[in-house]
Amino acid sequence: ETGVTQSPTHLIKTRGQQVTLRCSSQSGHNTVSWYQQALGQGPQFIFQYYREEENGRGNFPPRFSGLQFPNYSSELNVNALELDDSALYLCASSLDRHNEQFFGPGTRLTVL
Amino acid sequence: RKEVEQDPGPFNVPEGATVAFNCTYSNSASQSFFWYRQDCRKEPKLLMSVYSSGNEDGRFTAQLNRASQYISLLIRDSKLSDSATYLCVVAGTGFQKLVFGTGTRLLVSP
Repeated sequence: ETGVTQSPTHLIKTRGQQVTLRCSSQSGHNTVSWYQQALGQGPQFIFQYYREEENGRGNFPPRFSGLQFPNYSSELNVNALELDDSALYLCASSLDRHNEQFFGPGTRLTVL
Repeated sequence: RKEVEQDPGPFNVPEGATVAFNCTYSNSASQSFFWYRQDCRKEPKLLMSVYSSGNEDGRFTAQLNRASQYISLLIRDSKLSDSATYLCVVAGTGFQKLVFGTGTRLLVSP
């Protein structure tokens, strides 16, 4: 186990709704990265948080937003859900920005 | 064109076989290269980093050709437990902003 936890495990939402996914980083890690993995695809980088600030963003629209808390846990928020947002959402924590990323088990989001 | 391209497979091989996976990347500024392994419905896990000089970890050998922007993974003496999806990954400095390929699925049969 990596020590990275995510909640919830599974989630079902309908189009237009909003969702918040949570990630607890490994103890001592100050960096959290979020990825979206659609079925049959590799994970795609959404953004990274380092010491509570966004530190890089992938090609995702502004309705994907995030937050990192003083204890370095993190949230991913998605507004105005679309069917294509159905995916496995993975968070990964690392000791620092350039260190190995350890992935959590993911949250499987289904948008109906 | 995708930033990291891999043959999705599946590769079906018998136990004991040698199997090779390849991947190409388009961003010549990439500095870090990795192979990750992902079991069905699980999170990706780092298998090994890839260096220009080539590196080996037991039955696994990884190679990087910067000039051709090409990365390879060789698995010798395949085991049933090697069945998984192998993801080719490139990044900038260190592990920042990992860019994953679609993955190559390997099925090892008895």
